[in-house]
Amino acid sequence: NAGVTQTPKFQVLKTGQSMTLQCAQDMNHNSMYWYRQDPGMGLRLIYYSASEGTTDKGEVPNGYNVSRLNKREFSLRLESAAPSQTSVYFCASEVAYEQYFGPGTRLTVT
Amino acid sequence: GENVEQHPSTLSVQEGDSAVIKCTYSDSASNYFPWYKQELGKGPQLIIDIRSNVGEKKDQRIAVTLNKTAKHFSLHITETQPEDSAVYFCAASSAHTGNQFYFGTGTSLTVIP
Repeated sequence: NAGVTQTPKFQVLKTGQSMTLQCAQDMNHNSMYWYRQDPGMGLRLIYYSASEGTTDKGEVPNGYNVSRLNKREFSLRLESAAPSQTSVYFCASEVAYEQYFGPGTRLTVT
Repeated sequence: GENVEQHPSTLSVQEGDSAVIKCTYSDSASNYFPWYKQELGKGPQLIIDIRSNVGEKKDQRIAVTLNKTAKHFSLHITETQPEDSAVYFCAASSAHTGNQFYFGTGTSLTVIP
């Protein structure tokens, strides 16, 4: 039982490049989330998915898109990366309000 | 939306002493208040939570208290150990906010041996 897994662990992009962050959970949870973590700002919600086939914007959705591919997988896409998107990205799944986080992806945009 | 404030931002205690971290929230509809521990290079891990129908909850050396009237909740760690050193986050959520969780800015706790 791996819990929540994220790939890649580290990524460096140039401004304007695109990439997709992958997240998968094996706990059969309906809800999944994408957060970004910046120094001194805690975790901020980018997008979430309450169930397969649905997605909703969070606090900071601009510049991102998501896909809930199936119940297990929830991906985050940066279409045209900007330096302001340099951050650590965490995926989480949730059941009965309890959230379980992945190990994170550290993204640097130069 | 909800606004969660967390204090202090850094906290150092001697091993064996107690540590207290406080959070306030703004939305009276919030009804779920988790605390997370984040070790260096890892994702946050849920350590304890409390729901609005309860005033206090305890799990071994960790306890959380909730004051709904004042809209604040606190994490108490007793008999601190070096392995308690980490960043701690509080959060608030409710069905009213559509499954969204709002996090505090974190407290970096250092336990000095």
